[in-house]
Amino acid sequence: KAGVTQTPRYLIKTRGQQVTLSCSPISGHRSVSWYQQTPGQGLQFLFEYFSETQRNKGNFPGRFSGRQFSNSRSEMNVSTLELGDSALYLCASSLGNLQGQETQYFGPGTRLLVL
Amino acid sequence: AQTVTQSQPEMSVQEAETVTLSCTYDTSESNYYLFWYKQPPSRQMILVIRQEAYKQQNATENRFSVNFQKAAKSFSLKISDSQLGDTAMYFCAFMIPAGNMLTFGGGTRLMVKP
Repeated sequence: KAGVTQTPRYLIKTRGQQVTLSCSPISGHRSVSWYQQTPGQGLQFLFEYFSETQRNKGNFPGRFSGRQFSNSRSEMNVSTLELGDSALYLCASSLGNLQGQETQYFGPGTRLLVL
Repeated sequence: AQTVTQSQPEMSVQEAETVTLSCTYDTSESNYYLFWYKQPPSRQMILVIRQEAYKQQNATENRFSVNFQKAAKSFSLKISDSQLGDTAMYFCAFMIPAGNMLTFGGGTRLMVKP
């Protein structure tokens, strides 16, 4: 099976712009989770989508949003970018059925630099 | 809320030797999952091993094994016969079954020396 893919791999934006990141899960996986990784804050959970619905949400401002499509692909959007949004954004997919077999598999990440 | 602590920011080990990475966690839940992930310089997060809290038997995956002490809330990773390719950041992570989201520790940077 193909792994989790994320596009683009690298992005450079300026403050105030918005950005959209994409994640395609492993075939058959219906859950997609997003994480932000920074040197200062480490790995932090953003949100999880399952069957096109946001099921869990971390403690991030409303500028961070996401959605999931019927084919389980997910997008994450950050509006009004701030310097502090510079980070590696990781997407992870899992079955999502919460029946005791949940394991998240990660994509290669999108590195976002905000200037 | 759950917290995960990795008290060793950096460690090093000689090739072919054994090293143990420490992880402690805090939770009031009785059922949960614990994971170790590896993040090499390529930044791809790779699953190393998984442990269900209800299982008393420690998980093993080839050269990787864990020492899970539920009462002590401790979950250490042992890497045997260390290889140069084991050089990476290692993250301990926690998940409750009802919530499909991982809580990560701060990571341990492991350097395997030839």
